[in-house]
Amino acid sequence: KAGVTQTPRYLIKTRGQQVTLSCSPISGHRSVSWYQQTPGQGLQFLFEYFSETQRNKGNFPGRFSGRQFSNSRSEMNVSTLELGDSALYLCASSYSFNEQFFGPGTRLTVL
Amino acid sequence: TQLLEQSPQFLSIQEGENLTVYCNSSSVFSSLQWYRQEPGEGPVLLVTVVTGGEVKKLKRLTFQFGDARKDSSLHITAAQPGDTGLYLCAGEGSNYKLTFGKGTLLTVNP
Repeated sequence: KAGVTQTPRYLIKTRGQQVTLSCSPISGHRSVSWYQQTPGQGLQFLFEYFSETQRNKGNFPGRFSGRQFSNSRSEMNVSTLELGDSALYLCASSYSFNEQFFGPGTRLTVL
Repeated sequence: TQLLEQSPQFLSIQEGENLTVYCNSSSVFSSLQWYRQEPGEGPVLLVTVVTGGEVKKLKRLTFQFGDARKDSSLHITAAQPGDTGLYLCAGEGSNYKLTFGKGTLLTVNP
């Protein structure tokens, strides 16, 4: 069974730009969660989607948004990028929410 | 806000030694997971514990969930260089949200 895939793996943007990251979950998984990982803050929850509905979101500004499609694939968007948005963005899919399978992440660098 | 405190933050040991990593919170979790993450990769799920007092073993790794479901520990026996990585605990709270600890960075030297 193929794992969670994330594209792109690496991304360099400048302040003020926007970015869209993509996540393809494991086949059969309907829950997709997004996390931001930084050395100082660790893994922080962004939002979780199930069957195209956002069920929960973390404490991030409205510049961070996401969506899920009918095939369970998910995207997250960050608008008006700031230097502090540089991080590893991780997507995780699950069948039962409490056992999450992570993708390799997208490393975003904002210059 | 639910918080998970992991200790120690860093651990460097010699091959063959034993170690324990702790994960503590003032909140009750319905389940708790342990993950290991290697550089450049996403975390990999090691185990899920659900019942207070539960003990699970995975080869040389022993996981315990506290009776009150607020804390957990991971014990590694006879550590090997392949055990090197960032160990993360994550608690499942209410409403489809996992709260992660900041992790324990383990280095096992040959």
